[in-house]
Amino acid sequence: EIVMTQSPATLSVSPGESATLSCRASQSVNSNLAWYQQKPGQAPRLLIYGASSRATGIPARFSGSGSGTEFTLTITTLQSEDFAAYYCQQSNTWPLTFGGGTKVEIK
Amino acid sequence: QVQLVESGGGVVQPGRSLRLSCAASGFTFSSYGMHWVRQAPGKGLEWVAVISYDGSEKYFADSVRGRFTISRDNSKNTIYLQMTSLRAEDTAVYYCVKDHSIVVLTNGDYWGQGTLVTVSS
Repeated sequence: EIVMTQSPATLSVSPGESATLSCRASQSVNSNLAWYQQKPGQAPRLLIYGASSRATGIPARFSGSGSGTEFTLTITTLQSEDFAAYYCQQSNTWPLTFGGGTKVEIK
Repeated sequence: QVQLVESGGGVVQPGRSLRLSCAASGFTFSSYGMHWVRQAPGKGLEWVAVISYDGSEKYFADSVRGRFTISRDNSKNTIYLQMTSLRAEDTAVYYCVKDHSIVVLTNGDYWGQGTLVTVSS
């Protein structure tokens, strides 16, 4: 199976700053990469699909990039509601796999 | 609006079976694949299984293949996860997730609130 590796595990950022989260695949997943946000006690929410397309209702401060094995989620001007865990998931090859997650915390 | 409501979770002894259900509404259920994703307490997300819009395709995580089955009833807008030979490591919140794309299987978009399965003697 394809192993998805996210880094860093924890990212400490001040409100108003930007955050860059990385996701690496053990083999190419083309652009079949999604990003999810999960807040404590809540179900995850789809942010990005197809590596760079924002899901419905997702603010423009969230952007995704990359293809093949290297992907990035960038959050500009972090708002208080953006402090959460973020997961990448590949949907190129069965079984689908998630990365271990990055927790974005308030600095 | 899309609604996914899971049910059937609870406490079960190791080696026993349990069936989860997910009732869907707010979209054309028979046109979308559906996934199950789980999350062990304090851990990350683990994709479990998917079923295509018509039930003709099914895929499973290595950790559950041969023990779990997935099915759907398009007349009831419901999917199921039949779990057998349950182990302690199957303890998790199980989420029902709608596929993002019509007909084709890709990633999920809308998630239910989850149902907790605890495997313990």
